[in-house]
Amino acid sequence: QKEVEQDPGPLSVPEGAIVSLNCTYSNSAFQYFMWYRQYSRKGPELLMYTYSSGNKEDGRFTAQVDKSSKYISLFIRDSQPSDSATYLCAMSGAVTSGSRLTFGEGTQLTVNP
Amino acid sequence: KAGVTQTPRYLIKTRGQQVTLSCSPISGHRSVSWYQQTPGQGLQFLFEYFSETQRNKGNFPGRFSGRQFSNSRSEMNVSTLELGDSALYLCASSLRPSGGSTPYEQYFGPGTRLTVT
Repeated sequence: QKEVEQDPGPLSVPEGAIVSLNCTYSNSAFQYFMWYRQYSRKGPELLMYTYSSGNKEDGRFTAQVDKSSKYISLFIRDSQPSDSATYLCAMSGAVTSGSRLTFGEGTQLTVNP
Repeated sequence: KAGVTQTPRYLIKTRGQQVTLSCSPISGHRSVSWYQQTPGQGLQFLFEYFSETQRNKGNFPGRFSGRQFSNSRSEMNVSTLELGDSALYLCASSLRPSGGSTPYEQYFGPGTRLTVT
């Protein structure tokens, strides 16, 4: 079983919809939870990160972490066609153990005009 | 500020050959990590270097190796290539975090797409 599970989709929504992306994980040592966006033929781009449990908002994006359930989410409000990409969740342990990230498989999102 | 650069961008090799990929991190970043991305396995961690020392290694065979130079530039080498090594190889660089709630914020390069025939 993978340490991080993410539904690969694909997910197709109309422009303006609220998008919900989720990951579950099994490793209790994870402390940092990130969301990356990857456009076709590009490297992943860090969208936002959350430390431990809680919510974080950045513009149209909101990240949520529930460590008790080992469940993280990314919400995209007022989705735009430019949001069409693959979204990857990633997690890491304490910084003393280095920068190693464990990724989910990625969810392919298409926002239709 | 220039981003992470990787060379070459595309590479075609034959089974049994070896290959060296290069990564130049963002100026000032001393941590460099390498990942392999394939459709079936997603992004998998290969290894991490910090100040010329390998700090972490993923679950890959010894054919995969790397090094980091004093200017933080890094190379990875794959010897005796196999068809299954065809993948996008991504390099990421980051600064050492300043505080407890800040992770290593990793910035990825565009990757080197390796095809093994």
